[in-house]
Amino acid sequence: AAGVIQSPRHLIKEKRETATLKCYPIPRHDTVYWYQQGPGQDPQFLISFYEKMQSDKGSIPDRFSAQQFSDYHSELNMSSLELGDSALYFCASSLYLRTDTQYFGPGTRLTVL
Amino acid sequence: SQQGEEDPQALSIQEGENATMNCSYKTSINNLQWYRQNSGRGLVHLILIRSNEREKHSGRLRVTLDTSKKSSSLLITASRAADTASYFCASAAYGNKLVFGAGTILRVKS
Repeated sequence: AAGVIQSPRHLIKEKRETATLKCYPIPRHDTVYWYQQGPGQDPQFLISFYEKMQSDKGSIPDRFSAQQFSDYHSELNMSSLELGDSALYFCASSLYLRTDTQYFGPGTRLTVL
Repeated sequence: SQQGEEDPQALSIQEGENATMNCSYKTSINNLQWYRQNSGRGLVHLILIRSNEREKHSGRLRVTLDTSKKSSSLLITASRAADTASYFCASAAYGNKLVFGAGTILRVKS
């Protein structure tokens, strides 16, 4: 079965640079969630989208923005990167009001030098 | 963790033994989910239990939920070396974000 696809899988950036992470949900899933997992920490919710509209917002810095496109894929844009942004970024998808299970992608490991 | 605690933080057992992990959460929920994560890799969904359920089984997994105590437990029976991983509980209101616990690191020695 098709899973959530994230790209790139690894990304190395310098401080103050920008980064764009992409997420392709499971086909027919209409809801996308973004999570950040720092080293040795539990995943923290950043933001979610349902039918291309932001549905919930968590501890996402103002330097980050995200959107969901008409084909339901989502992009997380990160600007003015800081060392503390180094983390695993997960995308998850679900079918809103049909299934509560969130299916996670493999993650993008971002390293900021 | 922004939600609650998991207990224990780390657990080391012999292959064939049972492993029990506990999790607490703070707010009212619609469901609680358990995930497994191998070192630095993706989160694999294990099992979901709804707020109106008290116990659920899936293969070697048994999950309980006590909404009055805002707690859940995950039991892995007859553990295997391949079960070595971090285990997270995550609570959710209906259709909303997951709020993760701190995780339990399980090591199964062969």
